[in-house]
Amino acid sequence: DTEVTQTPKHLVMGMTNKKSLKCEQHMGHRAMYWYKQKAKKPPELMFVYSYEKLSINESVPSRFSPECPNSSLLNLHLHALQPEDSALYLCASSQLKDGWEQYFGPGTRLTVT
Amino acid sequence: ELKVEQNPLFLSMQEGKNYTIYCNYSTTSDRLYWYRQDPGKSLESLFVLLSNGAVKQEGRLMASLDTKARLSTLHITAAVHDLSATYFCAVDNDMRFGAGTRLTVKP
Repeated sequence: DTEVTQTPKHLVMGMTNKKSLKCEQHMGHRAMYWYKQKAKKPPELMFVYSYEKLSINESVPSRFSPECPNSSLLNLHLHALQPEDSALYLCASSQLKDGWEQYFGPGTRLTVT
Repeated sequence: ELKVEQNPLFLSMQEGKNYTIYCNYSTTSDRLYWYRQDPGKSLESLFVLLSNGAVKQEGRLMASLDTKARLSTLHITAAVHDLSATYFCAVDNDMRFGAGTRLTVKP
């Protein structure tokens, strides 16, 4: 099974809402990633977890809060987002953090109103 | 700060022709990745290049890495319509992506 799943596929939320994005993989990968991709732009790395510990935080605003409850699950908690946070949020996983192929989920398309 | 430049940004090819996409980066790195993205879809990993002189091939695509020149190339041989997509390179642990090359293959 080489699949990374993400839920929900689409999310519309107001600026005062709290919501969470979920990502799951069952490949035994020990590194998991969150990316943000705006339309017609490349993905931007937000967070990296390695062995369930936050390894890289690319100076992301605190309204985005990642969580890695176990080696298969990755969450991204959203609170008080701005309209400019509307984007495709992609989750990925890899065997280990450095130099390994990343497998991407289908993404969650987020719209902040 | 690491900068990654891809060129061309847009590429329109005829079927059957060959072409090369270039990825230049600004700081020393020996890890480079190539991805494909279809419109409205997620990313698909194509190649992981881990050392100077690394060359990998899959079907009509071949990728290479020259760490001394800080350059990777993605060569397309005898393009077919199915290769139409956006191709990204990304560098190092920070996964800094290039802007992407939007490839269209025409009959």
